Amino acid sequence: ETGVTQTPRHLVMGMTNKKSLKCEQHLGHNAMYWYKQSAKKPLELMFVYSLEERVENNSVPSRFSPECPNSSHLFLHLHTLQPEDSALYLCASSQEGQGAADTIYFGEGSWLTVV
Amino acid sequence: GQNIDQPTEMTATEGAIVQINCTYQTSGFNGLFWYQQHAGEAPTFLSYNVLDGLEEKGRFSSFLSRSKGYSYLLLKELQMKDSASYLCAVRDLGRDDKIIFGKGTRLHILP
Repeated sequence: ETGVTQTPRHLVMGMTNKKSLKCEQHLGHNAMYWYKQSAKKPLELMFVYSLEERVENNSVPSRFSPECPNSSHLFLHLHTLQPEDSALYLCASSQEGQGAADTIYFGEGSWLTVV
Repeated sequence: GQNIDQPTEMTATEGAIVQINCTYQTSGFNGLFWYQQHAGEAPTFLSYNVLDGLEEKGRFSSFLSRSKGYSYLLLKELQMKDSASYLCAVRDLGRDDKIIFGKGTRLHILP
C-alpha cells in the first residue's frame, strides 16, 4: 500500500471509446502527476498538478484530458485513443515546497490496452 | 535537455554484490533518486543523493559524483526478492525542478 490508489488496474478499450482513469492519494500531498510507462522507454511525465492547478503539459495529445477536482483526486479522461497509447499509466503524488528531497510516491498503475 | 543512461539488464547471483551505474546530464542538477520497481507494481523510493559521496541504507548504498555526472546503486547480500527494475532519476532545475527518469535496469538474480 503506497498511499496512492489507482482504478481500474486493467482496462481494454476500443479506439472509439471514452473511458477514465482515476487516482486518489491519501498522503496529504499538494502535487499530483500522470506518467506513462511503455516497454523499453523511460517513464514519461504527462501532466503535473500543483495545488490543483495544471503546471505542466508535456505536449500530450488532446485525446488525453486530465482533471484535478481537488488535491486528493486526479483523473485522466481518454477519448479516441490509438493502439500506440497502450501502456502502463502511473499516478503519483508529492509534497512540494519542502526542499529538493521531496520524493514522488507512485500508485500501482493502470494497464491500458487499446484495440 | 537531459539524458540519463543506465544498463538495460544485469544478472547477478544470490548472496553476491552488484553495482548498477547511472550517468546523467542536466541543465541544473538538484538531486538524484533511485527507485525499485517489481514487475507489475509501482516504483518505490530507495535513496536520495544531492551531495557527493556514499549514502548507506542497510543492504543498499547509493553513490554520487556531481562533477562526473555519475551515480551507482550498490546492492549487497543479494536476495531473490531483489529481482526488479532499478530506476535512476534526477531532479532538473532546467525542467522546472521536476524529477526525470531513466529507462531503468532490469536486474535478474540467479540462485
